[in-house]
Amino acid sequence: QSALTQPASVSGSPGQSITISCTGAASDVGGYNYVSWYQQYPGKAPKLIIYDVTNRPSGVSNRFSGSKSGNTASLTISGLQAEDEASYYCCSYTTDRVVFGGGTKLTIL
Amino acid sequence: QVQLVESGGGLVKPGGSLRLSCAASGFTFSDSYMSWIRQAPGKGLEWVSYISSKSSRTNHADSVKGRFTISRDNAKNSLYLQMNSLNPHDTAVYYCARGDYLYSFDSWGQGTLVTVSS
Repeated sequence: QSALTQPASVSGSPGQSITISCTGAASDVGGYNYVSWYQQYPGKAPKLIIYDVTNRPSGVSNRFSGSKSGNTASLTISGLQAEDEASYYCCSYTTDRVVFGGGTKLTIL
Repeated sequence: QVQLVESGGGLVKPGGSLRLSCAASGFTFSDSYMSWIRQAPGKGLEWVSYISSKSSRTNHADSVKGRFTISRDNAKNSLYLQMNSLNPHDTAVYYCARGDYLYSFDSWGQGTLVTVSS
């Protein structure tokens, strides 16, 4: 199972919005509404920020939003803040297993 | 609150074995699907294995199938990963995670480092 494709890096200035794409296939992203996104700081465990494509867990800022079109899912972070600088991973269910994206490093300029 | 604490990592020679443990607390462990997810140094996340709440279903990534075995003891609120025939590609931080089946993972441990090297 190939990993989902994410850009290696994105950047943005405080207050701006950025979008991270996550491209898979009809067998994973396109076939199920079970895409999740994780935020990870260096040396720390990942944290769930979006599940089931669009849903935010309790306590996650509404500046984070998710969407999907065809085989591509997206994570949008609006009103960028310094604390958003981290790595972000997408993840999709696919027939009794899971596939992750390669990760995107977000830099706040 | 939900707490997951991994242990058992360390340095092992190629071809060797290791058993990881994950102690769970703060939630009904016996009702939860659990997974192991690993991250090689400087690399991305890779799902390794999952087990259903009553151990009736398991699955493993192709990269570890036949070498790794996931198990659990609900009486001890513990998750395990038996790793055999280890090779350098298995070097990673191993996280245990609580899952909504495999749809998402809402709680993660701090991870335990496994290093496979001669």
